[in-house]
Amino acid sequence: EAGVTQFPSHSVIEKGQTVTLRCDPISGHDNLYWYRRVMGKEIKFLLHFVKESKQDESGMPNNRFLAERTGGTYSTLKVQPAELEDSGVYFCASSPILEAFFGQGTRLTVV
Amino acid sequence: AQRVTQPEKLLSVFKGAPVELKCNYSYSGSPELFWYVQYSRQRLQLLLRHISRESIKGFTADLNKGETSFHLKKPFAQEEDSAMYYCALMRVTGTYKYIFGTGTRLKVLA
Repeated sequence: EAGVTQFPSHSVIEKGQTVTLRCDPISGHDNLYWYRRVMGKEIKFLLHFVKESKQDESGMPNNRFLAERTGGTYSTLKVQPAELEDSGVYFCASSPILEAFFGQGTRLTVV
Repeated sequence: AQRVTQPEKLLSVFKGAPVELKCNYSYSGSPELFWYVQYSRQRLQLLLRHISRESIKGFTADLNKGETSFHLKKPFAQEEDSAMYYCALMRVTGTYKYIFGTGTRLKVLA
């Protein structure tokens, strides 16, 4: 069974540019989460989809971040325009109920 | 406020020594608690959950509601246990979401 896949694995962009991260969850998992780990800090919740609906987006830092989950399958997280403080590792996880299965993460560096 | 605290950023022990990774939580309801582990160049994966009361790779964790702790223990550390360990609380009221601690890097020395 394929696990959670994230693309790209690394991204280096300049401040002010746009970046789109993609997450393909495990097939059949209704729950999809985005998390972010900034260096030295905890893994922080960004948002939670149930199928295509945003269940909880209380962790989204500001309106420069936009997440979508078209048709309840894969999800994208767009940062526009990127700022230096957006650098970190972005994790996606999918879950049938409780246990979350994580992707490898996307390391985003904004310079 | 819901919070998970892992006081140690780094824990170094010698192979064969006992290990205890500390985790304290703050949560108003009945928590679901988990330990996740990330080995070098691998993805974050579930190690164990308190509800199943199991032992995985020799690790155990007991929920102590009085002390609001969920420490991870292993009697004899192995070199392959070296990894980043995250304690997590699953909020099950309203929407399900994990609240993670800052993580503890465990280094097991030969």
